[in-house]
Amino acid sequence: LAKTTQPISMDSYEGQEVNITCSHNNIATNDYITWYQQFPSQGPRFIIQGYKTKVTNEVASLFIPADRKSSTLSLPRVSLSDTAVYYCLVGGRNTGTASKLTFGTGTRLQVTL
Amino acid sequence: DAGITQSPRYKITETGRQVTLMCHQTWSHSYMFWYRQDLGHGLRLIYYSAAADITDKGEVPDGYVVSRSKTENFPLTLESATRSQTSVYFCASRGLAGTTGELFFGEGSRLTVL
Repeated sequence: LAKTTQPISMDSYEGQEVNITCSHNNIATNDYITWYQQFPSQGPRFIIQGYKTKVTNEVASLFIPADRKSSTLSLPRVSLSDTAVYYCLVGGRNTGTASKLTFGTGTRLQVTL
Repeated sequence: DAGITQSPRYKITETGRQVTLMCHQTWSHSYMFWYRQDLGHGLRLIYYSAAADITDKGEVPDGYVVSRSKTENFPLTLESATRSQTSVYFCASRGLAGTTGELFFGEGSRLTVL
């Protein structure tokens, strides 16, 4: 299973763009990269998923270089409500390895005025 | 309502007692998972299940027992609770092929072992 490495914490001001990078050097061919967000006292929730290049949805963008050994979650114009812990996961979507999805320690993002 | 629910949300027990945390999902998802999250740490996988009657260990299975007689339920039992098992426990489920494999989490069960 691919191990991921993320910064422990990040700080940002409201209105700025925040980029959180995740390293996954031993990502497998069938692995996807998925990001989750967790607010205090809540379970994590899915933000975005990608396999290569760029994926964008209504809340974030995910940039994946050609070698797929890292990925960057981009949050445009963050607000105070984006203060949360962000987790990067790497694994297959529908294969046996998808079963043992493991979370790292995540990146704690603190947004202030 | 559809979704994934955990019970109890809060539980205080004593060392040595048996505790069961319940998890119920209404999507008929095949996969279900139990994670624990300790203060200041990420989530660690305890056990998971690929289908009814199929379970397997995760990262930290010691001291826990699971069962899955029905697709929708995945109870987690601490047979003899210890203080080190004080934690927040999250249950999650996911569907099968053709989806993003997104995990859907419950609201968590906060367990305190005295």
